[in-house]
Amino acid sequence: DIVMTQSPDSLAVSLGERATITCKSNQSLLLPSDNRNYLAWYQQRPGQPPKVLIYWASTRKPGVPDRFSGTGSGTDFTLSISSLQAEDVAVYSCHQYYSNPFTFGQGTKLEIK
Amino acid sequence: QVQLQESGPGLVKPSEALSLNCTVSGGSITNYYWTWVRQPPGKGLEWIGYIHSSGSAKYNPSLGSRVTMSVDTSENHFSLKFNSVTPADTAVYFCARLGEGHCGPTSCHKVLDPWGQGTLVTVSS
Repeated sequence: DIVMTQSPDSLAVSLGERATITCKSNQSLLLPSDNRNYLAWYQQRPGQPPKVLIYWASTRKPGVPDRFSGTGSGTDFTLSISSLQAEDVAVYSCHQYYSNPFTFGQGTKLEIK
Repeated sequence: QVQLQESGPGLVKPSEALSLNCTVSGGSITNYYWTWVRQPPGKGLEWIGYIHSSGSAKYNPSLGSRVTMSVDTSENHFSLKFNSVTPADTAVYFCARLGEGHCGPTSCHKVLDPWGQGTLVTVSS
């Protein structure tokens, strides 16, 4: 199974500041035949189900604010929130869909400082 | 807009079977893949398996042979059955649709979108 490791486990950022979460996989998520990274990011607000923000490592789902961005390739990925808003308080999880079984990172809890 | 809603007992005794349903509204269950994920209290997400509307399914090997999924296209819902549960199976169980991505002859490579609200199942005597 592919192991996904996020850092940090929790993060406190001031409103309007930048938040950065990293995700590492123990094998490459880049499929050479289509040059795509099979990595998604989900946001899970308190008491809510996860919601996909980004897929293919850097493609924002339509309707997701452009302050959210995903970068990275291979085994190292980053989710950035450029200017933190109060509604961004949530747990963020990365997810590899490169191979079955699907696996997720342990989650990063983002709070307001 | 497709919506999913889980239903089932909130409390199950150890060694018994857990059965959950996921009802799909706002769209057809046909020609899509549907999946189950669980989240133990305070922990990360664990993928359980997925099933196509045709009935073809794939499960997480870590769960062994305890898991069975089924689909009822006439009722527009799909189901999860988990045998021989233990307290370690206590979790919020989510259903979701497989969205963006693609499926090959033996496996799917898709994100999970959208998700149901989730239902807490506690395993306790």
